Amino acid sequence: EDQVTQSPEALRLQEGESSSLNCSYTVSGLRGLFWYRQDPGKGPEFLFTLYSAGEEKEKERLKATLTKKESFLHITAPKPEDSATYLCAVQAGGAQKLVFGQGTRLTINP
Amino acid sequence: DADVTQTPRNRITKTGKRIMLECSQTKGHDRMYWYRQDPGLGLRLIYYSFDVKDINKGEISDGYSVSRQAQAKFSLSLESAIPNQTALYFCATSDRIPGELFFGEGSRLTVL
Repeated sequence: EDQVTQSPEALRLQEGESSSLNCSYTVSGLRGLFWYRQDPGKGPEFLFTLYSAGEEKEKERLKATLTKKESFLHITAPKPEDSATYLCAVQAGGAQKLVFGQGTRLTINP
Repeated sequence: DADVTQTPRNRITKTGKRIMLECSQTKGHDRMYWYRQDPGLGLRLIYYSFDVKDINKGEISDGYSVSRQAQAKFSLSLESAIPNQTALYFCATSDRIPGELFFGEGSRLTVL
């Protein structure tokens, strides 16, 4: 069964304190791994797509990386506006559906 | 205006009532989806549609039905609502890549 596990469940950082969020997955034939950001009361917002081990994508203070078993979302010098829940999802095999992790709730204190 | 619009945003109803959640989009995407989000369970796919004549069940379709009235409109119905259908429901669209989804702002449904 395809599974996605995100850790930690919640992370509290000071402004400027860099860290990483983890997304571990077990799927049969990874077709893509996707990162989303979700603000309270809003729908998830697409951030990145990663297709193969070694691939990296960057956007502002965020960088996503991928290995054969996990993906990391690195946050460099975060600001309070980076506070959100970050979701990761995988598409496996020939399936059209995504399997989502439960998310990491990130809080950046000023 | 939002690219993916859901109505209503909040609804409280009683067990056994029929409920319809509506979604319209201006992104011009053919693919539309309904997801359900529950605390601790993440997002789960209810139904998806790749065009007006194509409807597919997701992983949790029991108790739900959908209608694709037009390329831009996709509605979700609960024929007889039950309390464990209390959740946050999201409509989403995508272009060719199923994982690059554009979500609406959600419809919070409470079934008493």
